[in-house]
Amino acid sequence: GNSVTQMEGPVTLSEEAFLTINCTYTATGYPSLFWYVQYPGEGLQLLLKATKADDKGSNKGFEATYRKETTSFHLEKGSVQVSDSAVYFCALFTNTGNQFYFGTGTSLTVIP
Amino acid sequence: DTGVSQNPRHKITKRGQNVTFRCDPISEHNRLYWYRQTLGQGPEFLTYFQNEAQLEKSRLLSDRFSAERPKGSFSTLEIQRTEQGDSAMYLCASSPGVDAGSTIYFGEGSWLTVV
Repeated sequence: GNSVTQMEGPVTLSEEAFLTINCTYTATGYPSLFWYVQYPGEGLQLLLKATKADDKGSNKGFEATYRKETTSFHLEKGSVQVSDSAVYFCALFTNTGNQFYFGTGTSLTVIP
Repeated sequence: DTGVSQNPRHKITKRGQNVTFRCDPISEHNRLYWYRQTLGQGPEFLTYFQNEAQLEKSRLLSDRFSAERPKGSFSTLEIQRTEQGDSAMYLCASSPGVDAGSTIYFGEGSWLTVV
């Protein structure tokens, strides 16, 4: 079946620290991979995506590379800011499933 | 067009009452999804529409839940005889296409509290 596993949080970092949030997946068919971010009280916003193996998605200093061999899509940022505090969701979509599958989310808090 | 719009944003209702949520997707988006999210969890798929046709429903969607998308534009999600376990945020999302690269765009959600 299709599923996404994320590292559990919460994660607390100091400003300008390096961020990694691990995400691995299982999928039938060939998935596209996404990271969504959710700020308090709001819906989910697309952060970045990758649609095929070895693609790198990037946005706002965040990056993630689609690794088919390790079935992973880890999120990274070189220097986090207080404004990055949010919950991050890894997700996949396959045409065979016709829906998005989400991980449980990783809460990030960045302290000044 | 400012995105996916949902209302009401918050609803408090007594157990046993019916509630209805509305979703207005981004114009010309063919696909519309409903998800449910509880605290500390990721969104769980409920159902989706391709234009006006409801193509898939999750087992989470009990017979107390019904969703419609008349004319393939806005959608409604109705919950009958609400239970405390229905308390959650109900998220609507839309997508312009059906291929695996199509992004889905979420609304801000409708919070339901059943007391």
